[in-house]
Amino acid sequence: GAGVSQSPSNKVTEKGKDVELRCDPISGHTALYWYRQSLGQGLEFLIYFQGNSAPDKSGLPSDRFSAERTGGSVSTLTIQRTQQEDSAVYLCASSPQRRAFFGQGTRLTVV
Amino acid sequence: GENVEQHPSTLSVQEGDSAVIKCTYSDSASNYFPWYKQELGKGPQLIIDIRSNVGEKKDQRIAVTLNKTAKHFSLHITETQPEDSAVYFCAATVDTGRRALTFGSGTRLQVQP
Repeated sequence: GAGVSQSPSNKVTEKGKDVELRCDPISGHTALYWYRQSLGQGLEFLIYFQGNSAPDKSGLPSDRFSAERTGGSVSTLTIQRTQQEDSAVYLCASSPQRRAFFGQGTRLTVV
Repeated sequence: GENVEQHPSTLSVQEGDSAVIKCTYSDSASNYFPWYKQELGKGPQLIIDIRSNVGEKKDQRIAVTLNKTAKHFSLHITETQPEDSAVYFCAATVDTGRRALTFGSGTRLQVQP
């Protein structure tokens, strides 16, 4: 496909479980972002990967959150010991340099 | 870091009228300003962007203006249609690629038929 692909589209998990969210960026895009969007709210920055540079992790809300990007392509956002306040839509975007293109997001519900 | 403020939070207009959404930013180093449209249940879609070496950019019914001195930029939608109803987000960053986009809080636009 030509766009940013995220999986799963929906995830329901029990409080305390770990979850992994996947992002397949547009081929050739060097930059990759993760944002979080709570219901009816704006986009909260989580983490930013740019090429081979060290990622900007300044937006990660706690040490339960981590992300990696393998081979400069696919990225996985991991949330450990999920809490109810982690419920949100997690959005991934990729960019060749400046223009960022978003995926459809993963809706995470922690019950 | 950068801080982006967006107004209004909600905007209701009659079909055919114009809509204007305004954003201000704090970091004078920011030089790239995109606008996104988000429909219900979808990811944000880039609709127009502007760099700081340009004061205005148009694309059909959509235009963006930038006042770098005052550090504010605006989205203008003319001849609004019901399908323009969505949440609109502005954003700002430095386009060297070393900083993520900082978003405004969003404007919910409702176009009444």
